[in-house]
Amino acid sequence: AQSVSQHNHHVILSEAASLELGCNYSYGGTVNLFWYVQYPGQHLQLLLKYFSGDPLVKGIKGFEAEFIKSKFSFNLRKPSVQWSDTAEYFCAVNRRNAGNMLTFGGGTRLMVKP
Amino acid sequence: DAGVTQSPTHLIKTRGQQVTLRCSPKSGHDTVSWYQQALGQGPQFIFQYYEEEERQRGNFPDRFSGHQFPNYSSELNVNALLLGDSALYLCASSYRLTGDNTEAFFGQGTRLTVV
Repeated sequence: AQSVSQHNHHVILSEAASLELGCNYSYGGTVNLFWYVQYPGQHLQLLLKYFSGDPLVKGIKGFEAEFIKSKFSFNLRKPSVQWSDTAEYFCAVNRRNAGNMLTFGGGTRLMVKP
Repeated sequence: DAGVTQSPTHLIKTRGQQVTLRCSPKSGHDTVSWYQQALGQGPQFIFQYYEEEERQRGNFPDRFSGHQFPNYSSELNVNALLLGDSALYLCASSYRLTGDNTEAFFGQGTRLTVV
């Protein structure tokens, strides 16, 4: 069975600082990769996704992620965070051609101080 | 365009009782998945419905069952509730014909508390 690890459970940054959240998955086959965000009181929303092609994907609100197949990683980055980025971030994967059942990591709670 | 809607938003039940949660998918979507999100954890896949049949199932006991209706809406039923069933239950919808390369849209969830 696949699993997803997010190593940072809580991250506190000041505005304008750079962000990198780690995500590693364990599955030897082909996967699709996702980052979801959950703002306080809101539903899970897709930030970005990787299916194939350029391993550097850009999402909404200035976020990007890089798929490194050899490291089984899909880290999320943002050059300069804003207070409004305070939220919980979830990395998720699904196995290609096995239905779109998502396996989520445990989440990273980001707090951005103004 | 309505997104994924879930009802109720909050629910308190007693151990041993049964509960039914409801989900209406995003317009145009035909597949509904259910997830359980315990406090401080990521969502865990319960099962997925398409064409009124359960298509995939995660590692959840038979106390968890579901149904999909012809209008694509879905119900999640949990029998013999345990304290450990307390969680946020999320519904996600998607469009089957786009296959795996599809975005799942989530509802705001139902917060179930078992006392």
